[in-house]
Amino acid sequence: SQKIEQNSEALNIQEGKTATLTCNYTNYSPAYLQWYRQDPGRGPVFLLLIRENEKEKRKERLKVTFDTTLKQSLFHITASQPADSATYLCALEGGGFKTIFGAGTRLFVKA
Amino acid sequence: GAGVSQSPRYKVTKRGQDVTLRCDPISSHATLYWYQQALGQGPEFLTYFNYEAQPDKSGLPSDRFSAERPEGSISTLTIQRTEQRDSAMYRCASSPGGGETQYFGPGTRLLVL
Repeated sequence: SQKIEQNSEALNIQEGKTATLTCNYTNYSPAYLQWYRQDPGRGPVFLLLIRENEKEKRKERLKVTFDTTLKQSLFHITASQPADSATYLCALEGGGFKTIFGAGTRLFVKA
Repeated sequence: GAGVSQSPRYKVTKRGQDVTLRCDPISSHATLYWYQQALGQGPEFLTYFNYEAQPDKSGLPSDRFSAERPEGSISTLTIQRTEQRDSAMYRCASSPGGGETQYFGPGTRLLVL
């Protein structure tokens, strides 16, 4: 069956460290994968999109990798700050323009 | 408009009633998505539109759910004969085209008593 999995447990890290979040999927062949941030009571906000022919993408303190062989994407936040505390959602193209979201990983950055 | 808007923001209804939720996307955005989001979960795909066409409605849970976008702009999601399990946050998103950044609205929280 098709699945998209993110770390179900919350990730707690110290300010200044690098946070690494994982997104694994099975039985999909996405043309692209996206990462969103969601704060409590708000809608998801787009962060980065990476296409199947790209290995890595960066935006300021954010970096995403996409390994189509491992069927995995890693999302890194360097020099993390308490303001980075949120839920991070992985979303992949599920055929046509259909978008499949993971359940999200909660990140807590302690000062 | 400046962003995606949804109405109502909150809706309480009794089991068996019909409800209609509205989404006003960013003007000129071709693609519009509907999602259902349970607490602590990611958005679950319901359906999407490309202008007024609805190429994929595979995520609609049952035939009680339907969506329209007759003029390729505003969209409505209708749930007929609501059930308690329909209680959730319903989110709309729009994008300039498929496969691009999705901009989400604030959502409509539906509670079915």
